Order: sequence, then structure tokens, then C-alpha cells
Amino acid sequence: GDSVTQTEGQVTVSESKSLIINCTYSTTSIAYPNLFWYVRYPGEGLQLLLKVITAGQKGSSRGFEATYNKETTSFHLQKASVQESDSAVYYCALGNTGANTGKLTFGHGTILRVHP
Amino acid sequence: NAGVIQTPRHKVTGKGQEATLWCEPISGHSAVFWYRQTIVQGLEFLTYFRNQAPIDDSGMPKERFSAQMPNQSHSTLKIQSTQPQDSAVYLCASSLEGWGFNQDTQYFGPGTRLLVL
Repeated sequence: GDSVTQTEGQVTVSESKSLIINCTYSTTSIAYPNLFWYVRYPGEGLQLLLKVITAGQKGSSRGFEATYNKETTSFHLQKASVQESDSAVYYCALGNTGANTGKLTFGHGTILRVHP
Repeated sequence: NAGVIQTPRHKVTGKGQEATLWCEPISGHSAVFWYRQTIVQGLEFLTYFRNQAPIDDSGMPKERFSAQMPNQSHSTLKIQSTQPQDSAVYLCASSLEGWGFNQDTQYFGPGTRLLVL
């Protein structure tokens, strides 16, 4: 099956500091899954932050970056300088590109708190 | 564009009662997904429709849970004889096509928080 493991619990970072949230994936059903980061801001619904469909490629959005690394099966989320407005819950997800499915498999989520 | 609409936003049922959750996908989207979120299990896939046809229900519990999509504008998730362990946030998502090498973005609704007493 498919599984995603990401940094557990809460990460607290001071404003303007760098951030990394780790994500590793495992799949037995597909050679090249799509990889996603979704985010839920306080009071809002789950929304796409960034997506990468090709191994070796990097995705970026709102200052966040993640590189699809097939060798290490990782898709870590990074930001060089976080802002208080980045406080949210971040979910790493694997998209099954196999026939007759489009399901996403999510990690448990990482709460990011940015202190001013 | 109103986004994915889910109703009700909150539902409280007694053990053994039935619960029906509604989802209205974004107009023009042919794929609809249902997920469930709990503290313990996290976000889990339940089922997927494409052009109203059930395509993948591999995440659906075998008993008491059923999903339908009678028309392109809404889908329902029905839980019969609800149990306390069914308490969760149920999320509906829609996307343009849903599958393929380059998956379309899934847009999520606000969720229905179900509490079974």
C-alpha cells in the first residue's frame, strides 16, 4: 500500500527563521506517484500549497519549496524565512496515479507555529 | 465560484441512528472524493466517483457505510447504525478529472463534523 510519514506534532519557529518539515513516502503500487503539500490555515479549509509530478523536480509556492527525491523517497518542505502568517497545519500527500483511482494518501499533519 | 459545499457542517447523532452527509462539488468537476479525518487515523481516503460512477471504494468500511452520486451536482455519504467510532470530520473534495499521470488538484470542502453519542 501507500503511506506517508511526516514530522510529527508541532514545530515552533521564530519569525524570519528557516523551516523544514520532513516528509517521506512509501508505495508498492505505483512507480511515480504525484507528491503534494496541502495546508490548512486557521479557520479555513484544506488547500493545495504545491505539487510535483516528476522525480527530481522542485515545486514552489508562497516562498515554500519541496523537491521530489525518488532515491530517498522524500519530499521535505522548506522555507528560508517564515512569517507569522505561515502558522497553519501542513500535510504531505501522495497521489496514486494508477488506473481507476485518484486517491490521496496523507501524512498526519504538522502544526507550524511561528512566533513574532 | 462557491467552492465545494458540504452540509451540514455539524451533526450530532445517537448511537444506532443514521447519518447522511451531503456534498456539492465545484461545477464542471467530474471527480468527487470522500475522506475521513480523525485524531488517531489522520486523513483517510474513503471513496471516489468519476462522472457519477463509483470508481474506487477501497477505503470504505464494508459495513454500514455507503456513498452515492445520483447526479453531477451532489454526492451523499450515508452511515447506518452510527457508532461512537464513526465520530470524525468527513471531507469531500472535487477535481476536474481526478486521475492520470498528472493528477488534477483536489479542492476540499469545509467538512462535516459528525459526533456520535
